[in-house]
Amino acid sequence: GAVVSQHPSRVICKSGTSVKIECRSLDFQATTMFWYRQFPKKSLMLMATSNEGSKATYEQGVEKDKFLINHASLTLSTLTVTSAHPEDSSFYICSASNGFSYNEQFFGPGTRLTVL
Amino acid sequence: AQSVTQPDIHITVSEGASLELRCNYSYGATPYLFWYVQSPGQGLQLLLKYFSGDTLVQGIKGFEAEFKRSQSSFNLRKPSVHWSDAAEYFCAVVLYNQGGKLIFGQGTELSVKP
Repeated sequence: GAVVSQHPSRVICKSGTSVKIECRSLDFQATTMFWYRQFPKKSLMLMATSNEGSKATYEQGVEKDKFLINHASLTLSTLTVTSAHPEDSSFYICSASNGFSYNEQFFGPGTRLTVL
Repeated sequence: AQSVTQPDIHITVSEGASLELRCNYSYGATPYLFWYVQSPGQGLQLLLKYFSGDTLVQGIKGFEAEFKRSQSSFNLRKPSVHWSDAAEYFCAVVLYNQGGKLIFGQGTELSVKP
């Protein structure tokens, strides 16, 4: 149980285009989803927290107009990187929580974004 | 401020040797603590967690961790390391009064030599 998927696992795009990453909880309802960014050899940096049906809460320094997060259902959240630039290249990981078990988060496998 | 510190950025151990990865936390309330492992290009896999009760917790793959409140530590141990244990290890604390946000340590990269 508690499986989280991400799609795509890897994406390459041209500078200036937008890219959408999906995060799905496959066997539970995720009241809260989290989006992280991870640079090579670095820890995970929380970008934003989203609750189903509400606007996402962004961490300080994260541009909400650049990283659009939608949590339209209890099993799906999307992260759209708008007008991507090479510096947006990174590994993006989502996690999901059902609000039980001390808010334990279940992590997706990650998406590798490369912007040319 | 809440924080998690993993003092060792990189550790190398011989296969079959014992392992201890250090983790110290700073949190004003009772901490809920996790250890995750990440292989290159992969997501995070939960090794073990501590919420309450017995301070020595057992996890998957033969790992265990001990919560020591007096030392604000939650060190990860394994008695005999396998080559497949080579990976990045992250300690984390959940801020349950902030919507369940996780604060991660910097990570410790484990290398295993034959």
